[in-house]
Amino acid sequence: NAGVTQTPKFQVLKTGQSMTLQCAQDMNHEYMSWYRQDPGMGLRLIHYSVGAGITDQGEVPNGYNVSRSTTEDFPLRLLSAAPSQTSVYFCATAGRRNEQFFGPGTRLTVL
Amino acid sequence: LAKTTQPISMDSYEGQEVNITCSHNNIATNDYITWYQQFPSQGPRFIIQGYKTKVTNEVASLFIPADRKSSTLSLPRVSLSDTAVYYCLVGDRMDSNYQLIWGAGTKLIIKP
Repeated sequence: NAGVTQTPKFQVLKTGQSMTLQCAQDMNHEYMSWYRQDPGMGLRLIHYSVGAGITDQGEVPNGYNVSRSTTEDFPLRLLSAAPSQTSVYFCATAGRRNEQFFGPGTRLTVL
Repeated sequence: LAKTTQPISMDSYEGQEVNITCSHNNIATNDYITWYQQFPSQGPRFIIQGYKTKVTNEVASLFIPADRKSSTLSLPRVSLSDTAVYYCLVGDRMDSNYQLIWGAGTKLIIKP
């Protein structure tokens, strides 16, 4: 089992560009979420989903969109990249005790 | 959502037992306490979860007093590889809109 996978590992964007960060899981978990982590800080929740077809906003949703058409995939779309979105992005799923399993992260730099 | 407070950093030596205490004064009745470990350039990794009293697994113990307003993660006989950031979180694990507030965590440095 791969667990939670994320692509790409690294990405550099110019201000105003859009892109999609991919997240996939093979753990059959209903709950998935996206976080961002800035240097020396804790994680902040961007969006989450409690099942296919259901998404909701977290603490810092502005500038990001998500969709959940299948249980396995939960892509995060940056609409118009800004330097303030330079961060490390983690996708996570939650097990039956709501313990979270994280992907390896995507390191995004916006110039 | 209950907020947690942890020391910003701690250091210890190989072979010692390390205890990291977290305070969560406004923990709710249904909230569980969960600890994660994060190495640089990696996502957090689940360590242990508990509701009350003591929980032990193969890597750590979690002590929770009766009032549940704090908890202590205990790492026995640490090694250099335990150098990481440790996060304490509380939340209602039965809530379908499960959200957690992540603080800055405790940076633990283990010295030889």
